[in-house]
Amino acid sequence: DQQVKQNSPSLSVQEGRISILNCDYTNSMFDYFLWYKKYPAEGPTFLISISSIKDKNEDGRFTVFLNKSAKHLSLHIVPSQPGDSAVYFCAAVDNYGQNFVFGPGTRLSVLP
Amino acid sequence: KAGVTQTPRYLIKTRGQQVTLSCSPISGHRSVSWYQQTPGQGLQFLFEYFSETQRNKGNFPGRFSGRQFSNSRSEMNVSTLELGDSALYLCASSLLTGTNTEAFFGQGTRLTVV
Repeated sequence: DQQVKQNSPSLSVQEGRISILNCDYTNSMFDYFLWYKKYPAEGPTFLISISSIKDKNEDGRFTVFLNKSAKHLSLHIVPSQPGDSAVYFCAAVDNYGQNFVFGPGTRLSVLP
Repeated sequence: KAGVTQTPRYLIKTRGQQVTLSCSPISGHRSVSWYQQTPGQGLQFLFEYFSETQRNKGNFPGRFSGRQFSNSRSEMNVSTLELGDSALYLCASSLLTGTNTEAFFGQGTRLTVV
């Protein structure tokens, strides 16, 4: 049973518009969440994170929102750029640091 | 500062063989984690080493093992290879243990089992 779900395997967005990538989790022990971006033939790169004591974290064009009651987080990219085209992984960590789970990833395509 | 280096980049092995993959973390980083990425399963955590000790382990069979040396370099070994072990194996290094610290990934080793 997947503890971290990214239900959209792929997403296409026009350049300049907002990209919203979603992630749901089932384990209420998760208290820290990270987003990674991965280009083909490269390892994932860390993008942004959020602790469960916050509901929003912003870094430039990237904002992560956390809704603990819904066990849902989302990554917003505004404005989207063609260079943002990649696979985005959501990851969750429990409060003991023992359980680190990745979602299956969402492939974002930003169309020029 | 050099990034995380994984060798080899590509590897082809036959079923039943064993393989050893290597990861050199960023200088000063003491934590090394290993992940398997397959199209169907996404990224899956294998294990984490910190100061030569295995700290965390994912849900993989005992054929998958690892170790870390005093210079923080890490090796991952897979014995009795199966076709399903074909995947991209990623290594990540962090300054400290505790998986809520940002990890820096290598480019991975693409293993193909035939």
